[in-house]
Order: sequence, then C-alpha cells, then structure tokens
Amino acid sequence: EVQLVESGRGLVQPGGSLKLSCAASGFTFSRHWMHWVRQVPGKGLVRISAIKGDGSFTWYADSVQGRFTISRDNANSALYLQMNSLRVEDTAVYYCVRGTVGIAGFDYWGQGAQVTVSS
Amino acid sequence: QAVVTQEPSLTVSPGGTVTLTCASSTGAVTSDYSPNWFQQKPGQPPRALIYGTAITHSWTPARFSGSLLGGKAALTLSGVQPEDEADYYCVLHYGGVPEFGGGTKLTVL
Repeated sequence: EVQLVESGRGLVQPGGSLKLSCAASGFTFSRHWMHWVRQVPGKGLVRISAIKGDGSFTWYADSVQGRFTISRDNANSALYLQMNSLRVEDTAVYYCVRGTVGIAGFDYWGQGAQVTVSS
Repeated sequence: QAVVTQEPSLTVSPGGTVTLTCASSTGAVTSDYSPNWFQQKPGQPPRALIYGTAITHSWTPARFSGSLLGGKAALTLSGVQPEDEADYYCVLHYGGVPEFGGGTKLTVL
C-alpha cells in the first residue's frame, strides 16, 4: 500500500524557517518525481516544488524560488522541503504528492501538513 | 503564465449526469496537456481520479470518465451519488509544468 506521511508542521514567525518531511512507503521511491503542493484554506491548489526521481533536477514556483529547497533521500524513501524566510502568505496546508510514471500527473497524496506563519 | 478555468459551481440531482470542464487561456486543450482531475472533500487531501485525459486510477469509480470536449478537458459523472458532492480540480501541463484550475464545487441536490 502506497503511503505518504508528512511531518514537521507548525507555527513560525515571519522570517523564520521550517522543514517538512515526507516518509514514503509501498513503492519504489526513486522511480517517481515527487512534488510539494500547497493549499491556502478555502482556496485552490498550487504546486510549489518538484524533484526528479534521481534528484538531478528540481523546480520551484516563482513565489518560493530562492527561499525553499526541495531534496530527497532515496535510500530512506524520504522527501523534504526546507522553508526559509517564511512569509505570512506561505500559510497553507502542504501536501507531499507522488508523480505518475510515463504520463504527466499526480496520483497519491499525503494527508497534508499545516504551516502557519504568524507573529 | 497560463490560466486554467473551471466552472465555479455546478448542481446535479442524484442519479443524474454532469460534465465539468477545464479550459486553458492559451487555446484549445489537447491530450498534450495531459489533463488530470482530482476530487477533494472537506478536511481531506485531494484524491486523483483521472490522468492523461481519460486514464482512470484503479480506485476511480466507473461513473467518472475523462475526455476532451469542445476544446476543453472534461470530467463526466454519470449516475451521480450523494457522496460525489465535493470540490473538483483539474490540472493542465504546460511544457511539463502543471497549472491547477480554480476548482468546481459540485452540489448534489
């Protein structure tokens, strides 16, 4: 059974840092692109970062470029998102999402991690 | 940056059929955009329904189908059930970069 379990949720002050982790199980982790998608409460979904299966390529949305860093540990089937210089507008639920193989898309989603940036 | 547009809300009767659409600001949607569809219920993460325009996941109920219709991606629900009331999001891929639509709130009434 495929499982994606996020951890690292929390409340942080503007300008602070937080690191999200996603523990993956039930599949060959290194075969899949992995993504972080966030959702502001009551609003839509936005993909903010992605990383290729072997970790050789990363992508960031303009809104987080230079502040967030995505990484992965294939030996331990783990995905990470280091978030620095956090802003109030980064407040959202952050989902760890697995990419489909062969055709662009997403299949499995984690339960989400709430990140609140507030003074 | 491309904008993906969905109907803000739709209402359907139980047992009825409804089609949700997903349009691109850049023009007609083709299979090259690899449309995906997701269902989200309150307090839950999104659940994937369709990818590659019309490919269903192993867990996707048979009443859900994807297609291209009139230059848009479409999600059709046939024989709607009360539990289908949810928000539905589409994704289109632009050169491999996914853009989500704003979502359609489907009410079953």
